[in-house]
Amino acid sequence: DAGVTQSPTHLIKTRGQQVTLRCSPKSGHDTVSWYQQALGQGPQFIFQYYEEEERQRGNFPDRFSGHQFPNYSSELNVNALLLGDSALYLCASSLAFDRVNTEAFFGQGTRLTVV
Amino acid sequence: EDKVVQSPLSLVVHEGDTVTLNCSYEVTNFRSLLWYKQEKKAPTFLFMLTSSGIEKKSGRLSSILDKKELSSILNITATQTGDSAIYLCAVSNAGKSTFGDGTTLTVKP
Repeated sequence: DAGVTQSPTHLIKTRGQQVTLRCSPKSGHDTVSWYQQALGQGPQFIFQYYEEEERQRGNFPDRFSGHQFPNYSSELNVNALLLGDSALYLCASSLAFDRVNTEAFFGQGTRLTVV
Repeated sequence: EDKVVQSPLSLVVHEGDTVTLNCSYEVTNFRSLLWYKQEKKAPTFLFMLTSSGIEKKSGRLSSILDKKELSSILNITATQTGDSAIYLCAVSNAGKSTFGDGTTLTVKP
């Protein structure tokens, strides 16, 4: 079992550019959530995808968007990058969001640096 | 807005000590409380506590949920240097998890 895989592991972008991060969930999982973790802080919920639709969203601007594919993998897109977007972006997979009490498994994350 | 507060922010102990990490929360539609260990990048799952499972134990680690006080503790006995990490507490609301900022535990030889 490959677990949750994310790519790329590291990325450096220039302010104003756009970036796409990718996530493949753990085998058997159908729900993908994205988190942003700034240095010294806990992960902050960005949004969650299930059945190819965004089901829940945290307090992030519309510059953050996503997509889920039929094979349950997901992408996170960030437009018009700001210096403050520099962070570790974590993907977590789980079983269907409306099922009771399923834990999430995290990938290794993508370290995004905006210069 | 959902909120999770962890204390202490950091802790330094020596091998063999016992530590207690605290987590308090304010959340609508509580479903579960989760503890994770984060060493480098990916948080790894430790425990999930719910209304039907308020106490969990695995080896030297144990956790209790107090739904009345809206809090949880994570205990680690006989600490080892390998326990050094950030311990994250999160509360889950229909899949969305709200995390605290973590407790950084350093175990010295």
